[in-house]
Amino acid sequence: QSALTQPPSASGSPGQSVTISCTGTSSDVGGYNYVSWYQQHPGKAPKLMIYDVSKRPSGVPDRFSGSKSGNTASLTVSGLQAEDEADYYCSSYEGSNSLLFGGGTKLTVL
Amino acid sequence: EVQLVESGGGLVQPGGSLRLSCAASGFTVSSIYMSWVRQAPGKGLEWVSLIHRGGNTDYADSVKGRFTISRDNSKNTLYLQMNSLRAEDTAMYYCARSCGGYWCFDYWGQGTLVTVSS
Repeated sequence: QSALTQPPSASGSPGQSVTISCTGTSSDVGGYNYVSWYQQHPGKAPKLMIYDVSKRPSGVPDRFSGSKSGNTASLTVSGLQAEDEADYYCSSYEGSNSLLFGGGTKLTVL
Repeated sequence: EVQLVESGGGLVQPGGSLRLSCAASGFTVSSIYMSWVRQAPGKGLEWVSLIHRGGNTDYADSVKGRFTISRDNSKNTLYLQMNSLRAEDTAMYYCARSCGGYWCFDYWGQGTLVTVSS
């Protein structure tokens, strides 16, 4: 049950796009379409941004999009805004009724 | 409006026990999958446990045999009974409601802090 691999940090200027990767194995990310992404601001609870790889909950801006290729899932934030600065976590079902999270990526808006 | 409010956290000695509660409003806990997710200070998220609509339960290997998830439908409340606590169980504990597919979480509580220390 190793955590999914995310880059520790990512950054971009306002208006730019940034992509955060989440790498697992064929037993988790690659084997199921149950990848989710969460945004967490300091001292706050996580917020669901993407589920089932690419679905967006109501209220989440369409600047946020998700995709998957093989064992790697990605979250893309387009048109970066200051309020997007936060920690981002991916998660994936890993079979046997268990869930894995990634180690988190700190997104900085320059 | 959906709300989740956790309580029951605090300081406990290694080997001790604690029961966390998560009071839900705006929906019924028995109609949906519910989970506990924890976050050690300065660290990432870790899924802890899930209770299915039908009452079946699942646990992370790190807590299996020590933690028990349950719910009281009459109180619309989710619980996490934690026994044989270890220093590495120190974390903020969040209850979370599952979204459409039950391995994602669309509503989270504000969290309750558990500190295991002598």
